[in-house]
Amino acid sequence: AQKITQTQPGMFVQEKEAVTLDCTYDTSDQSYGLFWYKQPSSGEMIFLIYQGSYDEQNATEGRYSLNFQKARKSANLVISASQLGDSAMYFCAMREDPLAGNQFYFGTGTSLTVIP
Amino acid sequence: EAGVTQSPTHLIKTRGQQATLRCSPISGHTSVYWYQQALGLGLQFLLWYDEGEERNRGNFPPRFSGRQFPNYSSELNVNALELEDSALYLCASSLPTGLNTEAFFGQGTRLTVV
Repeated sequence: AQKITQTQPGMFVQEKEAVTLDCTYDTSDQSYGLFWYKQPSSGEMIFLIYQGSYDEQNATEGRYSLNFQKARKSANLVISASQLGDSAMYFCAMREDPLAGNQFYFGTGTSLTVIP
Repeated sequence: EAGVTQSPTHLIKTRGQQATLRCSPISGHTSVYWYQQALGLGLQFLLWYDEGEERNRGNFPPRFSGRQFPNYSSELNVNALELEDSALYLCASSLPTGLNTEAFFGQGTRLTVV
């Protein structure tokens, strides 16, 4: 079974509008971390935001927020006030207990295009 | 502080040759991860090293191998190169413990097999 599922291969959003990128995950662990990364066309991976499984508040970082619904095992990324520079691939990732021998799992990504 | 560095940036090899990719993690990071990203696709997990040991391996053939050195830098070797090995190879490092420690990525090595 896929650990991380991103069902939207491509998304379009008008500049200055908000957009939600979907991510669902699969784990039987109680403790885990969820991450979102941005990959511009240059190829570098940029860390955006983190959510811990025990965090009660949704994480926010500037224009990025993470809509965490634990019971549904979803961790959607919300980008507010989209900018042209937000056009990139976005990857959702999960880290289970590293001491148990697990590593980062990444989804297949969502390509976001911001339209002027 | 220096980030994760990978070398070379670009590498062109012919089919059947061997390729060696290198990665230097952030100072203090003992875990190194390798991922393959074929054009337009997601990240496929290759290998995870921590404290010099291979901790986990993805679903890749044995001709993909690597190692981690005492200074925590790492090397990925790909033997008997095939055309479909052409991809961006990303290295990431992180602290080994703590669920809230993100992985920091290098800029990648773009391997082209002709």
